[in-house]
Amino acid sequence: AQTVTQSQPEMSVQEAETVTLSCTYDTSESDYYLFWYKQPPSRQMILVIRQEAYKQQNATENRFSVNFQKAAKSFSLKISDSQLGDAAMYFCAYRAEPGVAEKLVFGKGTKLTVNP
Amino acid sequence: DGGITQSPKYLFRKEGQNVTLSCEQNLNHDAMYWYRQDPGQGLRLIYYSQIVNDFQKGDIAEGYSVSREKKESFPLTVTSAQKNPTAFYLCASSISQSPSGQPQHFGDGTRLSIL
Repeated sequence: AQTVTQSQPEMSVQEAETVTLSCTYDTSESDYYLFWYKQPPSRQMILVIRQEAYKQQNATENRFSVNFQKAAKSFSLKISDSQLGDAAMYFCAYRAEPGVAEKLVFGKGTKLTVNP
Repeated sequence: DGGITQSPKYLFRKEGQNVTLSCEQNLNHDAMYWYRQDPGQGLRLIYYSQIVNDFQKGDIAEGYSVSREKKESFPLTVTSAQKNPTAFYLCASSISQSPSGQPQHFGDGTRLSIL
């Protein structure tokens, strides 16, 4: 079964600085998708970024980027120029290729605190 | 605006009582999902449905039941057999069978507590 591990239960960063959240996963599949979701205190799950395993290029969305290392099964999230609004729980999630299984498997999350 | 609506926002259950959580979407998505979130835990899949009148058990289906009579609706019933129902419940939907790996969209959640 696929598993997702986030080894950092909590992280903190100073406003305007950069922080990297770690995620590793275990799968025997070759094609799959990886996601980072943000859950602010409002509890709504918000998609931050998505990566297709068959793409070697790391995904980027404004201040958010990933370091995807397929061989190492690693998918870290880098947040640049951190803002107070970035404070939230961040969840890494894995999904096998559609048509095989649509289920998302989540890590336990990393709580990010942004200090002013 | 399209989205997913979960109701109620807060729900209280008495011992031995069944309660139903509502989830409605107007995104025209085929697939819908129910997750449970406990403190310090990630989301765990309860049930999912990829098409009307069909659904599959997730990782923690015991004590829960669902129905999918309409594309837009996927209600979750927490039965009296679920001995520890206190949790935050999230409903999600996605375009199914898409080759582009479309993400799941989430509702705002329902907080269920035991009286």
